[in-house]
Amino acid sequence: DAGITQSPRHKVTETGTPVTLRCHQTENHRYMYWYRQDPGHGLRLIHYSYGVKDTDKGEVSDGYSVSRSKTEDFLLTLESATSSQTSVYFCAILGSGNTIYFGEGSWLTVV
Amino acid sequence: SQQGEEDPQALSIQEGENATMNCSYKTSINNLQWYRQNSGRGLVHLILIRSNEREKHSGRLRVTLDTSKKSSSLLITASRAADTASYFCATAKNTGTASKLTFGTGTRLQVTL
Repeated sequence: DAGITQSPRHKVTETGTPVTLRCHQTENHRYMYWYRQDPGHGLRLIHYSYGVKDTDKGEVSDGYSVSRSKTEDFLLTLESATSSQTSVYFCAILGSGNTIYFGEGSWLTVV
Repeated sequence: SQQGEEDPQALSIQEGENATMNCSYKTSINNLQWYRQNSGRGLVHLILIRSNEREKHSGRLRVTLDTSKKSSSLLITASRAADTASYFCATAKNTGTASKLTFGTGTRLQVTL
């Protein structure tokens, strides 16, 4: 357990609405990540952060933005949700020994 | 694009048997990690093997890495019903700003009594 909390854990939203997922960590880790998991695709990196206000894009960043104003919080925002963004979203942190630890996931359904 | 590809996609064995899963990747890596995911849960880190290592053990887990073939295998010995899960390999490459993992699509392991 790397002290990672994701919220909300489950959300249903309508197409076109904004959605923000929150990742909170309690152990002062510098690196944080957002992944999405879809059948047949495994986990794909959306965005990551290497410090407060320092973020960069992953392989599937279109339609997503992130913010990190505090070390402990990494927010993922879908500005205008689409059905293709229905997925399970995982937050992760880089821990000791270059090991990446994951949160429990946020299930998002866009209808 | 997927860096790691697991083989087989699904595996069904009986309790007590050994389970072997393979992972192939495409580019150079710093390390390779294996994760387990139970249905509806997050990923749990199992083991990390560095690019200069060839074999690593952790309890009933044995991981090998062949960088010349760009492949890795995960062996679970004396499997138990509780080992039923999806297993993912992930390759890590350190960029200038972060260590990023690229995942394969996973192997679904079913262990029956």
